[in-house]
Amino acid sequence: EVQLVESGGGLVQPGGSLRLSCAASGFTFSSYTMNWVRQAPGKGLEWVSSIGGSGNYIYYADSVRGRFTISRDSASNSLYLQMNSLRAEDTAVYYCARDYHILPTKLNCFDPWGQGTLVTVSS
Amino acid sequence: QSVLTQPPSASGTPGQRVTISCSGSSSNIGSNIVNWYQQLPGTAPKLLMYSNNQRPSGVPDRFSGSKSGTSASLAISGLQSEDEADYYCAAWDDSLNGWVFGGGTKLTVL
Repeated sequence: EVQLVESGGGLVQPGGSLRLSCAASGFTFSSYTMNWVRQAPGKGLEWVSSIGGSGNYIYYADSVRGRFTISRDSASNSLYLQMNSLRAEDTAVYYCARDYHILPTKLNCFDPWGQGTLVTVSS
Repeated sequence: QSVLTQPPSASGTPGQRVTISCSGSSSNIGSNIVNWYQQLPGTAPKLLMYSNNQRPSGVPDRFSGSKSGTSASLAISGLQSEDEADYYCAAWDDSLNGWVFGGGTKLTVL
């Protein structure tokens, strides 16, 4: 069974840093593009970042570029999101999601999704 | 303000057919596939429709998708109470070089 489990969320002060992790299992991790999508409380979904299966390409949303860094480790089947210079508007549930197919990312979609981890940026 | 535009709400009675629209531009829906996600209350989103009109395994054929030009739509026929959820459209945007989502449509089954 394909499974994604996020961790690392919590309360952090504005300007602080946090590292999210996503443990993947049930599939060949290095074959799939992985993604982070967030959802602010009571709001809609916002794509954050994507990384190719071998880390060969990385994309970021304008709202996080320069502050967040996506990475992955095939040895541990893990996806990461290093978040620096956090702002109140980064407060959200962060979901890890796998690309559905082994296809170019723009032809793809997100499935499955993890259960999410809550990041709260507040003083 | 979301790049893709969806109505914030939709409603219908059991058995009815409802349609949710998603409007974009030439850089996203106009040139790329559209996907739809369903988010039941208190849960993570789930893939509902991909590549405009393809249903993943397990999704009932009551759900259908279509795309024309820079707009897409999701239709739900034979509406059931368990369809009450938030629905999001998404597409790759060639100008932004990233995924864009609609603001979401809250479907209420009356």
